[in-house]
Amino acid sequence: TQLLEQSPQFLSIQEGENLTVYCNSSSVFSSLQWYRQEPGEGPVLLVTVVTGGEVKKLKRLTFQFGDARKDSSLHITAAQPGDTGLYLCAGGSNFGNEKLTFGTGTRLTIIP
Amino acid sequence: DTGVSQDPRHKITKRGQNVTFRCDPISEHNRLYWYRQTLGQGPEFLTYFQNEAQLEKSRLLSDRFSAERPKGSFSTLEIQRTEQGDSAMYLCASSLGSTAGAGNSPLHFGNGTRLTVT
Repeated sequence: TQLLEQSPQFLSIQEGENLTVYCNSSSVFSSLQWYRQEPGEGPVLLVTVVTGGEVKKLKRLTFQFGDARKDSSLHITAAQPGDTGLYLCAGGSNFGNEKLTFGTGTRLTIIP
Repeated sequence: DTGVSQDPRHKITKRGQNVTFRCDPISEHNRLYWYRQTLGQGPEFLTYFQNEAQLEKSRLLSDRFSAERPKGSFSTLEIQRTEQGDSAMYLCASSLGSTAGAGNSPLHFGNGTRLTVT
């Protein structure tokens, strides 16, 4: 069974601070996706990384896929209240199945 | 922009009753997924269709659960003899599948059906 652990589980910081969220597994994934989910809504895709060591930037968000494709990180610079939400990583596999395995989630609160 | 639509948004039912949820995917998407999400957790995979074929079912999907996608378009998820442990958000997602596998096909989620079993 592939498991994705995210840390921290909860994070509350002041507006303007930087933060990093981690997504770790003992399994190798063919790709890693990050989603953000707001209360009462479904997750919305932020980014997909597919190559070990890959780094992608989306405005103030920086995503990195580990060299061994077992872990990923999300770094937010100068956090804003609009960044508040549940951040989910999800791993994809090419090993004969089509499902994504989601992480345990990080609930981020940015205090104005 | 017609995204993934789920109906109803909320359902409250008594233990032992049957419930059915509907999902309308993005029209050109051939893959449809059902996930279940409990409070504070990430979504857990339940089942997946490619067109009308149900290709994979999770062990979480007990014999009380059944999903269909009869014409390869909308899908229904039925839960028979509901139990309090079935209370959760049921999320539907769709994607345009490729040969590269699920990891390279971003999922487009609906806003879910929140089920409360009393």
